[in-house]
Amino acid sequence: GQNIDQPTEMTATEGAIVQINCTYQTSGFNGLFWYQQHAGEAPTFLSYNVLDGLEEKGRFSSFLSRSKGYSYLLLKELQMKDSASYLCAVRALPNTGTASKLTFGTGTRLQVTL
Amino acid sequence: DSGVTQTPKHLITATGQRVTLRCSPRSGDLSVYWYQQSLDQGLQFLIQYYNGEERAKGNILERFSAQQFPDLHSELNLSSLELGDSALYFCASSPPTNEKLFFGSGTQLSVL
Repeated sequence: GQNIDQPTEMTATEGAIVQINCTYQTSGFNGLFWYQQHAGEAPTFLSYNVLDGLEEKGRFSSFLSRSKGYSYLLLKELQMKDSASYLCAVRALPNTGTASKLTFGTGTRLQVTL
Repeated sequence: DSGVTQTPKHLITATGQRVTLRCSPRSGDLSVYWYQQSLDQGLQFLIQYYNGEERAKGNILERFSAQQFPDLHSELNLSSLELGDSALYFCASSPPTNEKLFFGSGTQLSVL
């Protein structure tokens, strides 16, 4: 099975930097995803890591350490619109065929304040 | 717009009833996933289909079933509904290269 942990809530100030951590335990790791979800809306893809290291995409960066079962999402120059839930998801190697599922953590609710 | 279409957007029904949720994946995507999201539980994986065949099963109740049709659209059937089934149900699809999931806008199910 898989176990994913991330903080329930975080608060940060507009313009600041925030780091959202995610730790996971899984057999057959095949990639880690970060999604953003505004309340009542669909999750939207932010980043994908399958190898160790940092992936940067604009104001958002994601880091992965497979040996430590650890990832973080870094959000820079925070804006009010960044207030949302951030979901860490792990993909496991498929047992059969070519498709595999994503298992999501419960998400970190980020509140950006003035 | 992710390209994944879910209908209906909202569904209100009574306990004991049966409903069907529908999902059309993005053009070219062969995999369809169903997730349930309750307020206190986050996104829970229910079931996955790939090109018409069931590929993975998660915490899906026996009262729930799904299928993927030859045109690749999928339906999730929920029967003998209970109050606790009230949730947001998301469908997602992924391309053959099997990378990120694209989510539909969800169906909000309210069981009264």
